[in-house]
Formats: sequence, structure tokens, C-alpha cells
Amino acid sequence: SQQGEEDPQALSIQEGENATMNCSYKTSINNLQWYRQNSGRGLVHLILIRSNEREKHSGRLRVTLDTSKKSSSLLITASRAADTASYFCATDPALGAGSYQLTFGKGTKLSVIP
Amino acid sequence: GAGVSQTPSNKVTEKGKYVELRCDPISGHTALYWYRQSLGQGPEFLIYFQGTGAADDSGLPNDRFFAVRPEGSVSTLKIQRTERGDSAVYLCASRKGRIGINEQFFGPGTRLTVL
Repeated sequence: SQQGEEDPQALSIQEGENATMNCSYKTSINNLQWYRQNSGRGLVHLILIRSNEREKHSGRLRVTLDTSKKSSSLLITASRAADTASYFCATDPALGAGSYQLTFGKGTKLSVIP
Repeated sequence: GAGVSQTPSNKVTEKGKYVELRCDPISGHTALYWYRQSLGQGPEFLIYFQGTGAADDSGLPNDRFFAVRPEGSVSTLKIQRTERGDSAVYLCASRKGRIGINEQFFGPGTRLTVL
């Protein structure tokens, strides 16, 4: 089953603009991760934010986490055509919750127009 | 390379046939996961190995699906009597250590098409 729900489902922006994607989830988490996927194949890990963190930066990426609202956002600043991909949030369950498999949302399809 | 590898990259088979999909995790990673991703969806968990044993197979859709990891490294996902609904990208991931504090590293996936 899918826990995360990303919105929007699709986003189209001009190169240079910022892109914001949101993710909501349902159960307690240890951490939340964002992945990028090109052409429906391998997932590339972008950033991990732990449940006790509120904001994290990595290059042009900024992730926020609000555990009280069970939501996260991914901001990509100064977007490039190469950022065109699908973006998924994935939740890693709270410690003691078994196999720690990731639960993914359906993703946001980002198109950056040159 | 040091990443997770999967073979074959593409597999086309006929309904009713048997297929095997292989995953080579990152060396030293004890945890190995299989996920399945249908078109337009996020990956969904199938099975988790810690070492050689299947510690959690709750995501396997039915008894046509089976996976092994006999030596605690390479894993094979086996699908019997394939159906058209099995068509998807099958992703393998590995992670270092037992508890969920580290990221999972994904392979490029195997695209399975059942005709």
C-alpha cells in the first residue's frame, strides 16, 4: 500500500524557476526520504530528513518536515532542464517497526522547460 | 561498480512462463529489499532479507512469487506462471545494517513484460 501522497501529481515550470512538491503520510516515521526517478527506472536518493529534524539543505534542494502535520516538502531552486524527472517521497517507519521497508507515494512528475 | 546491479534489464515473457530476476547488492550490505513498481505508481514493497533469511515477505502478492538469498549476498526473485498483471519494473535495494537509519540504494530495475 502507498502511504505517501505527493502533490501536485504533475508540475511544469520554466527553467530557472523554483519547484515545490509536497508529501503527506499517515504513520509514525523514523525518517523521510526523497528520491528522483528518470524514465521509470532506477531511483536516485536525494536527501534524508530524520524525524527530529525540521529542515535540511543539500545543494539546490531544501526539504522540510512537519511531523505534527505528517507532511514534508521538497523545494528545488533555480531548476534546470536536467531536473525533469519523477520525484517520490518515501517514509521509513519508526524504529521497532519491523523490516524498515520504505513506503512510497505515487510521485510528482516534474517537467522543466528550457 | 559499487552500486546495486540487476539482471536482466528487460525481460519479455509469455503468460504462464517462469522467470527469474537477479539482484547483486552493494558488498557488505546485509539488508536487501525487492519492490515492484507499476506504471504511474510508486514502488511497493515485496520482500525483505536480513542476511540469508526472508525476514518479511508480507508484500508478496501471492504464492507464485518467491525469492531467495542463499549466501546472504545475491538474491533471485522467482515468478511462476506469470500473468499479464505481473508486468512492472522490479527494483532491488540494499542497505547497510539492520535498523532503519541508513538510506536504501536502488538498482536500475528489471522491466518485466508479460505478453
